[in-house]
Amino acid sequence: TQLLEQSPQFLSIQEGENLTVYCNSSSVFSSLQWYRQEPGEGPVLLVTVVTGGEVKKLKRLTFQFGDARKDSSLHITAAQPGDTGLYLCAVSYPSNDYKLSFGAGTTVTVRA
Amino acid sequence: NAGVMQNPRHLVRRRGQEARLRCSPMKGHSHVYWYRQLPEEGLKFMVYLQKENIIDESGMPKERFSAEFPKEGPSILRIQQVVRGDSAAYFCASSLPGAKVLTFGAGSRLTVL
Repeated sequence: TQLLEQSPQFLSIQEGENLTVYCNSSSVFSSLQWYRQEPGEGPVLLVTVVTGGEVKKLKRLTFQFGDARKDSSLHITAAQPGDTGLYLCAVSYPSNDYKLSFGAGTTVTVRA
Repeated sequence: NAGVMQNPRHLVRRRGQEARLRCSPMKGHSHVYWYRQLPEEGLKFMVYLQKENIIDESGMPKERFSAEFPKEGPSILRIQQVVRGDSAAYFCASSLPGAKVLTFGAGSRLTVL
């Protein structure tokens, strides 16, 4: 059984602070994606990565992928209230790489 | 330039009734996925379909649930004889053939009374 864990489950910070959320898999994955989901809406893709050790930046968001391809982190610099949402990581495994397995997510609240 | 369209957005059913959820994929996408999300949980894979074919239904409950994606028209997720435990948000996603990038709809929220 492949396990995907996200931490922390909840995170509440003040506007302007930095935050990091983590995603850990029990098995090596083929690809990893980060999504953000707002209440009442579907997940929206932020980034996809397939290469171990890769770092991608999207404005104030930095995505880092472990060399072993089993873990990832999302770092937000100078968080803003608009960053509030549920951050989900999703991985596909070599055994059936069309199927995305989602973590339970990290609920981020940025207070003005 | 519509994305993935799901309807209804909200559906209320009494125990024992049937629920039908519809999903129109993005234009040009021939692959459809259904996921279920319970409160404070991640999305759980249910089924993966291509036009007129079920590719993987390993996440579907063995009874009462079925899905189809006909040659013409939307994909349908059908839940017969609903129970309270079926209350959840059901998300549809679509993709191009071979693509790992999924585009999600806004979801259909089923409440069973």
